[in-house]
Amino acid sequence: ETGVTQTPRHLVMGMTNKKSLKCEQHLGHNAMYWYKQSAKKPLELMFVYSLEERVENNSVPSRFSPECPNSSHLFLHLHTLQPEDSALYLCASSQDWGSYEQYFGPGTRLTVT
Amino acid sequence: TQLLEQSPQFLSIQEGENLTVYCNSSSVFSSLQWYRQEPGEGPVLLVTVVTGGEVKKLKRLTFQFGDARKDSSLHITAAQPGDTGLYLCAGAWTGTASKLTFGTGTRLQVTL
Repeated sequence: ETGVTQTPRHLVMGMTNKKSLKCEQHLGHNAMYWYKQSAKKPLELMFVYSLEERVENNSVPSRFSPECPNSSHLFLHLHTLQPEDSALYLCASSQDWGSYEQYFGPGTRLTVT
Repeated sequence: TQLLEQSPQFLSIQEGENLTVYCNSSSVFSSLQWYRQEPGEGPVLLVTVVTGGEVKKLKRLTFQFGDARKDSSLHITAAQPGDTGLYLCAGAWTGTASKLTFGTGTRLQVTL
């Protein structure tokens, strides 16, 4: 595998379910990001991790819980989501927190029913 | 809230035509990136510009950063169907490092 991978690519979940999104980067980068992309809205930065420490949390509801066990892996744990949380969730990485250029995974298309 | 406005929002052209899309802000960027995103995929980085007045070329794509570093443009020469996608600009303001703010995008469709 090369670049940034995300699983699953598609996920449908009910509002009472608990699920997790996974991201893995094979670039040797030190910073990882979660973004939300909704229709007709710009990409919204959710969380930033640098060397496994969370350095940004952009007022994201607690029903989204990130986890970064090491610099190559990033998870987004989901519970009691709302239909308006349906979106494309994108993971990205950069060499360091402060690097200009970010590299994105293909995203997980999440539908909350 | 610092905003990045892109125009036009939608563009449908025929193969072989030229086009320009714009990215504007009232604030000064420390850097700006352009990405292309195809349906069902994540954005793919095309270019980064950091110096006012900078021009970068990537095959048929020409990127320009405004002298004042508040705006940028992407010009495509002789568009091809493979250029179809969502073009996103993303800026970082001085002091915000890699905390990118994305524009709403320009959706381009190139038909035969």
